[in-house]
Amino acid sequence: AQKVTQAQTEISVVEKEDVTLDCVYETRDTTYYLFWYKQPPSGELVFLIRRNSFDEQNEISGRYSWNFQKSTSSFNFTITASQVVDSAVYFCALTNTNAGKSTFGDGTTLTVKP
Amino acid sequence: DVKVTQSSRYLVKRTGEKVFLECVQDMDHENMFWYRQDPGLGLRLIYFSYDVKMKEKGDIPEGYSVSREKKERFSLILESASTNQTSMYLCASSFNSGRVGQETQYFGPGTRLLVL
Repeated sequence: AQKVTQAQTEISVVEKEDVTLDCVYETRDTTYYLFWYKQPPSGELVFLIRRNSFDEQNEISGRYSWNFQKSTSSFNFTITASQVVDSAVYFCALTNTNAGKSTFGDGTTLTVKP
Repeated sequence: DVKVTQSSRYLVKRTGEKVFLECVQDMDHENMFWYRQDPGLGLRLIYFSYDVKMKEKGDIPEGYSVSREKKERFSLILESASTNQTSMYLCASSFNSGRVGQETQYFGPGTRLLVL
């Protein structure tokens, strides 16, 4: 069985603060994929990033960065200089390579106040 | 742009009614998924399909069935709606890349179903 834990249910920050969303996963598979999705108030989940289990390189995309550490089974997401438009629910997900089933975390609701 | 559409944004039904939730994608994706989203529970997979007329049970299939007669359309059926099926239902699709698991899922806007 696989599991994704996003321990932070809600986070509230003031604009321009940096914020890190935590994601910890459990799986017995050696090959798997990790994802982050953003769900704005409109409801539609939007893909942010994908990582495979063999690629532990951190990634930066503008104000977003991701830290994948296999040793601690974590795939954390940092937003630098947060903006009001970053307010959303963020989901971390793990997909196995057997049946391609995805397991999502419970989500972290981020509120960025002006 | 990939577009996944769902037939209704909001739906109100009565207990015992048969409910159809429709999902259509326009990118010729092989894979389609139905999730339900509940506060504190994240997204849970109900059913998925890798091809026309194929279906696989997800983590919570009880009380639901699905139909995939055409590649672009994946329907979720609540045979006899119950109040505990009040939820947000999300449809998603993805391209079959040949590398199982790496596909990015594209989501529809969701259908918020209320069963009275």
